[in-house]
Amino acid sequence: QSALTQPASVSGSPGQSITISCTGTSGDVGIYNLVSWYQQHPGKAPKLMIYEGNKRPSGVSNRFSGSKSGNTASLTISGLQAEDEADYYCCSYAGSWVFGGGTKLTLL
Amino acid sequence: QVQLQQWGAGLLKPSETLSLTCEVYGGSLSDYYWSWIRQPPGKGLEWIGEINHSATTNYNPTLKSRVTISRDTSKNQFSLKLSSMTAADTAVYYCARGLIVARPGTFHSWGQGTLVTVSS
Repeated sequence: QSALTQPASVSGSPGQSITISCTGTSGDVGIYNLVSWYQQHPGKAPKLMIYEGNKRPSGVSNRFSGSKSGNTASLTISGLQAEDEADYYCCSYAGSWVFGGGTKLTLL
Repeated sequence: QVQLQQWGAGLLKPSETLSLTCEVYGGSLSDYYWSWIRQPPGKGLEWIGEINHSATTNYNPTLKSRVTISRDTSKNQFSLKLSSMTAADTAVYYCARGLIVARPGTFHSWGQGTLVTVSS
């Protein structure tokens, strides 16, 4: 299976909102409601931010939200804060688990 | 609060077999799904495979011929073996646990990561 497609980078100013897309196919994102999103700071292990498309694990800020339309899933971060600057990865079931290539979020 | 502590050799020669172990503290292997995920330097994440609460395994099709994931419930450990290592397998390897009992994916708890370098 192929990796999911994410933009290489996005940027935003503190307080603004940004959205990161994750494009798959009708064989993964489009058919399964099993997209998760991970935040990774340099040198650290990834952190689960969203699972099953739009659910937040305990302890994750409600500034993070997930959605899906067709074969594309999205992660929206509202009220950007300095600590949100990180790499973000989507993941979907596709017969096995496949990740996106990652998106670097930069705060301006 | 579950914690995962992993260890294994960090430097291998081409053709050798990688062996990593992940010990689970504060949780039981008999519940959740337990996965191995890797990340080449400066690159993205790649799922290697998983072992579930019933000891059933599933592997990434691209690595399946070289991967074995097993568990030792008496020690609360699960392990990864990846054979015929090449430079392309150089990566940080993570062990991880699922969020929801008996449901795969949603990698919630992670080990600290082990950098494995393959070089002659």
